[in-house]
Amino acid sequence: NAGVTQTPKFQVLKTGQSMTLQCAQDMNHEYMSWYRQDPGMGLRLIHYSVGAGITDQGEVPNGYNVSRSTTEDFPLRLLSAAPSQTSVYFCASSLQRGAHNEQFFGPGTRLTVL
Amino acid sequence: QQQVKQSPQSLIVQKGGISIINCAYENTAFDYFPWYQQFPGKGPALLIAIRPDVSEKKEGRFTISFNKSAKQFSLHIMDSQPGDSATYFCAASIGNFGNEKLTFGTGTRLTIIP
Repeated sequence: NAGVTQTPKFQVLKTGQSMTLQCAQDMNHEYMSWYRQDPGMGLRLIHYSVGAGITDQGEVPNGYNVSRSTTEDFPLRLLSAAPSQTSVYFCASSLQRGAHNEQFFGPGTRLTVL
Repeated sequence: QQQVKQSPQSLIVQKGGISIINCAYENTAFDYFPWYQQFPGKGPALLIAIRPDVSEKKEGRFTISFNKSAKQFSLHIMDSQPGDSATYFCAASIGNFGNEKLTFGTGTRLTIIP
């Protein structure tokens, strides 16, 4: 099992550009989520999905879109990048819906918006 | 609104000493309290977790102490080793079906010096 994989590892964007951060898991996990990690602020939930075709907003959803067409993939789209979106992004998955399940995190994508 | 407050922000402990990281929460509906460990350049990984029906949980050198009345919980690392140098996040969640979100603390950067 590769676990949770994320691409790219690093990305630099200019303000206004769009891009998609890819996330995939091969553990047949039902629940997937995206977090951003900023210094002094911990991890904040952006969007999450409890299964294919079902997504919902987290704590900081503005400026981001998600979709879940398959169990394996959960891409995060930035429609018009802003400097405030400079952050490290982590995708996570867990076996089932229900927060008491261990969340497995990917290695992260470091995004810089100029 | 910071629902889980974590301190200290950084901590330096001598090898063999005890590392203590504290967290406090506000929402009495939280019923699951995990700790995640993150090494530089990696995603967080579950270290240990506790539910509020017990006051302490121990796994090897790592112990969670839980004080329900004070709404506080802490991580103790006994016999701290240089390999324990990492960032530690406390978190909390509510286990109701449909309420899967983990709320993280702001993190503690732990450095173990020889």
